Amino acid sequence: EDKVVQSPLSLVVHEGDTVTLNCSYEVTNFRSLLWYKQEKKAPTFLFMLTSSGIEKKSGRLSSILDKKELSSILNITATQTGDSAIYLCAVQSSGSARQLTFGSGTQLTVLP
Amino acid sequence: DAGVTQSPTHLIKTRGQHVTLRCSPISGHKSVSWYQQVLGQGPQFIFQYYEKEERGRGNFPDRFSARQFPNYSSELNVNALLLGDSALYLCASSLATRARTTDTQYFGPGTRLTVL
Repeated sequence: EDKVVQSPLSLVVHEGDTVTLNCSYEVTNFRSLLWYKQEKKAPTFLFMLTSSGIEKKSGRLSSILDKKELSSILNITATQTGDSAIYLCAVQSSGSARQLTFGSGTQLTVLP
Repeated sequence: DAGVTQSPTHLIKTRGQHVTLRCSPISGHKSVSWYQQVLGQGPQFIFQYYEKEERGRGNFPDRFSARQFPNYSSELNVNALLLGDSALYLCASSLATRARTTDTQYFGPGTRLTVL
């Protein structure tokens, strides 16, 4: 059974700080790892990392996949209050369904 | 372009009743997946449909069923509701063409179901 573990469970920082969120996984046949941001309801897509694309960057957010260590990190630099959200990590394995297996998420709170 | 839409946004039911949740995917997307998110946890996979056929099913009881229509919209049905079915039900759509081995799923705003 595929498994995803995220840490820390929650994090409180001040605006301007840099944060690193962690995700580790166990999956039978890895295809991709995805990061989502969930503020109220709909998780919004941030990044997809695969064997052919192990590093992604968009503005202040960046993510790296370590296939050897079966893990990924999501970095957010110069945090803003608008970054406050739950950050979800999910893995997609091979198979016809290509369903996502999610971790429990990291609750990030950015204080002004 | 419209994103994934879901209806209703909120729903309150009592134990034993049944419920139907609806989802319309992003235009051009042929696959719809359903997830259940209980408070404090990540979404858990329920079903995936591709071109009206069930492609995968998660570890949920037979009280849960779904279908996909010719226009690629989808319904999730839950019978004999239990208190533990209270959750946010998320729908995600994706291109999911057979040639693609990875597939980005885009989520709708969800339906908040409360079972009393």
